Amino acid sequence: DVQMTQSPYNLAASPGESVSINCKASKSISKYLAWYQQKPGKANKLLIYDGSTLQSGIPSRFSGSGSGTDFTLTIRSLEPEDFGLYYCQQHNEYPTFGGGTKLELK
Amino acid sequence: QVTLKESGPGMLQPSKTLSLTCSFSGFSLSTSGMVVSWIRQPSGKSLEWLAAIDWDGDKYYNPSLKSRLTVSKDTSNTQVFLKITSVDIADTATYYCARSYYSGTYVMDAWGQGASVTVSS
Repeated sequence: DVQMTQSPYNLAASPGESVSINCKASKSISKYLAWYQQKPGKANKLLIYDGSTLQSGIPSRFSGSGSGTDFTLTIRSLEPEDFGLYYCQQHNEYPTFGGGTKLELK
Repeated sequence: QVTLKESGPGMLQPSKTLSLTCSFSGFSLSTSGMVVSWIRQPSGKSLEWLAAIDWDGDKYYNPSLKSRLTVSKDTSNTQVFLKITSVDIADTATYYCARSYYSGTYVMDAWGQGASVTVSS
């Protein structure tokens, strides 16, 4: 199976700032990487798939980049509702997830 | 509006069989390309994909758990089920079901809120 390693584990930022979360696959997954947001009491939300395709309804301040083994989720101009947990997931073969990144308010 | 809701026993004893139901609305599993997956998350840990079933009845399993898992769907294509045999404490988790459709078999574009399951004697 494909191991997914996310970094950083924790990230503290303020509204208006930009942040990046990294995800590394143990082998090439081409472009097949998705990003999800998880918040307490809410259903998990798909943000990006195929590495850089923005899911319908997701604000354009979210963007994804990368291919092969290295991927990045960037959130520009953080809004208060962006704080939470973020997971990467490869969808090249049976799915595996990264360990998660907690985005906290500084 | 697409909604999914998981239900389960809440608590069960080690060695028993866990039965979970995913009830959904806003789509039909008979639609070509539709897939429903099961994913779980132990408290404070990451997500683990377990199994999926597609519109054609094809089933997909996590290789590390395949011998213990059975995924199925009902004939009305509005519910999906998951059975996990011989549970132990390590199966304690929140269990989610999720749909994949527009974006690929394993891109989950709608999730339920999860059902908590505790395995304890």
